[in-house]
Amino acid sequence: DGGITQSPKYLFRKEGQNVTLSCEQNLNHDAMYWYRQDPGQGLRLIYYSQIVNDFQKGDIAEGYSVSREKKESFPLTVTSAQKNPTAFYLCASSPDSPRGYTFGSGTRLTVV
Amino acid sequence: QKEVEQNSGPLSVPEGAIASLNCTYSDRGSQSFFWYRQYSGKSPELIMFIYSNGDKEDGRFTAQLNKASQYVSLLIRDSQPSDSATYLCAVAGGSQGNLIFGKGTKLSVKP
Repeated sequence: DGGITQSPKYLFRKEGQNVTLSCEQNLNHDAMYWYRQDPGQGLRLIYYSQIVNDFQKGDIAEGYSVSREKKESFPLTVTSAQKNPTAFYLCASSPDSPRGYTFGSGTRLTVV
Repeated sequence: QKEVEQNSGPLSVPEGAIASLNCTYSDRGSQSFFWYRQYSGKSPELIMFIYSNGDKEDGRFTAQLNKASQYVSLLIRDSQPSDSATYLCAVAGGSQGNLIFGKGTKLSVKP
């Protein structure tokens, strides 16, 4: 079945550590996105990529980095520069704009 | 700053009633509008999209769009307890057509 796979489902980060969240899709979608969701907040865009080897910052890119070396993959690294990383992270993809997004199941990141 | 506004709720309706969820948006040039349902602890799932003024029906769900008033709504007929979730309104905006999400309205359907 086609879909988006995010891993891990739960992730714990120590202070000062970088962690990488995985996002893989087999939908043959060109565009991929990373969102952050905090309790009582909407989805805030971190980074997006419309095509391989190209990506743009969203509204809250500081403290995050991404790569898009393959069409299927769009990993997100949460760096130590992100001071408040505890949140629910959602990866999404779409065939082209403007279309509805398909979301992965999410990664819940907690700082310990 | 392009914005999408929703009443955060909670909106409480009895089982079998019609639930009405509303959304306004600031970008008059927006062309595409989406409703997502998100259960607690889960990721959003697309339930409706609408591009043209008027109504679009899919089963118990009806999306309504009024571009002149910059208003989009979602009606859920014969509401069921399983409809209890947060409903996110999203609008395609920006130069890349990225979706801009509202903060969501929490719906509670009481048996």
